[in-house]
Amino acid sequence: DIQMTQSPSSLSASVGDRVTITCQASQDISNSLNWYQQKAGKAPKLLIYDASNLETGVPSRFSGSGSGTDFTFTINSLQPEDIATYYCQQYDNVSPMVTFGPGTKVDFK
Amino acid sequence: QVQLQESGPGLVKPSGTLSLTCAVSGDSISSNDWWSWVRQPPGKGLEWIGDIYHTGSTHYNPSLNSRVTISLDKSKNEFSLRLTSVTAADTAVYYCARSQFYYGSGSFFSDYWGQGTLVIVSS
Repeated sequence: DIQMTQSPSSLSASVGDRVTITCQASQDISNSLNWYQQKAGKAPKLLIYDASNLETGVPSRFSGSGSGTDFTFTINSLQPEDIATYYCQQYDNVSPMVTFGPGTKVDFK
Repeated sequence: QVQLQESGPGLVKPSGTLSLTCAVSGDSISSNDWWSWVRQPPGKGLEWIGDIYHTGSTHYNPSLNSRVTISLDKSKNEFSLRLTSVTAADTAVYYCARSQFYYGSGSFFSDYWGQGTLVIVSS
C-alpha cells in the first residue's frame, strides 16, 4: 500500500501570510494527488485535483504543485476563512485504493 | 447543483450491521461517475471506505473489505453502505461523495460531498 505523510501536522500563521503544506507519497504516484479543505463540523471540500488543477470556484490564492512523490500545497495570503484542516489524498491505480494524508490543521497565531 | 444526503440509524449495537443510504439529486447515479463512502472517527482523519460505478463495479478499502458492501438503487437514484460486525472503532461521521475517475490518467477526486451523518456504535 502507498503511505502518505503530511507536514506539518499543525501550523499557526497570521492573516496575509503565505502558508505551505507538503505531502509525500511512499512511491511514485505521478500527479494523482488532491487537496481538500475541511472546516470544523463540515464535509471536506475539494480545492486542488491532479496535483495542480484548481477546482472551479476556488480562490486563486490556493495552489498546488509537484509530481512523483513530493507535493506542495500553498495558500498565498492567508484569510480568516481559511482556518481549517487540509488533507492530501492519493489514488493508487494499481490496487486500486484511495488514501488520505493525516491532515494539517491551520489556525491563527 | 449536485446534492448528496446521507440517512440511516445514528446508533448501532456492537456486532450489528451499519446501514446508510445516500440520496443523490442533480445527477444520475447511472452517469459516468463513481459514488464513494468516506468516514471520519471523532477528532481523527479521513478514511476511504470504498466506491461503486453504475455498472456495479466496486472498490473497497482492504482493511474493511470483508465487512463492507456498497450497492446502488437506480430506481431511487440512491446508493448504500452496509458494514457488518461493527465495533466501537466504527463510530464515525460517514460521508457519501460523488467522485470523478479517469482510468487512463489515474485521476480520481471527490467533487461533491454530503453533509455527513454520525453513527455511534454502542450498546
